[in-house]
Amino acid sequence: DTGVSQNPRHKITKRGQNVTFRCDPISEHNRLYWYRQTLGQGPEFLTYFQNEAQLEKSRLLSDRFSAERPKGSFSTLEIQRTEQGDSAMYLCASSPIRVVGTGARRPYEQYFGPGTRLTVT
Amino acid sequence: QKEVEQNSGPLSVPEGAIASLNCTYSDRVSQSFFWYRQYSGKSPELIMSIYSNGDKEDGRFTAQLNKASQYVSLLIRDSQPSDSATYLCAVNNQAGTALIFGKGTTLSVSS
Repeated sequence: DTGVSQNPRHKITKRGQNVTFRCDPISEHNRLYWYRQTLGQGPEFLTYFQNEAQLEKSRLLSDRFSAERPKGSFSTLEIQRTEQGDSAMYLCASSPIRVVGTGARRPYEQYFGPGTRLTVT
Repeated sequence: QKEVEQNSGPLSVPEGAIASLNCTYSDRVSQSFFWYRQYSGKSPELIMSIYSNGDKEDGRFTAQLNKASQYVSLLIRDSQPSDSATYLCAVNNQAGTALIFGKGTTLSVSS
């Protein structure tokens, strides 16, 4: 299977603990995204990387959250001092970049991994 | 605040009927539009992308885009019980990086 993979698939932790999630994108995709989804809502953007550079962060990404993509391949998302409000599905997506007729570089479709479901007790 | 609006449903259609899902967006400069299907407890699965005004067909799915009205829709022909899921509309942000999602429309196809 050459899709996006995420580990772990489920994580239960106590409030105040730190957790780390991993995402392995589709191998030829240079863009990687993290989203968070709560029940009844669409995914909400957290941050994105182009290769190893973190180019954009949402205001949802508080100081307790940090993301890395050290070699432009896999990425990790760490949440420090977890709170009950952090309980959600954390989704990773990847995409290549396409060049349109004008020569402009546009993002291509984003493909999601299976997600990591975090429960903070 | 850039928004994507969808009717949450549920939208109920009988097997074999056409299901019509609608979405409006607030940012006039949006260029890329996507429909994702999400089964309960699973992650979103891309089913359609559309970039130009008009219709785009792929099998039983047709996406329709009207940039002047800031409206995008998804038609599912010959609906099957396996199409029962939440359908998420997504629009690229102005920078062309993040996707902005609606809350999704729940479709129920009865046999």
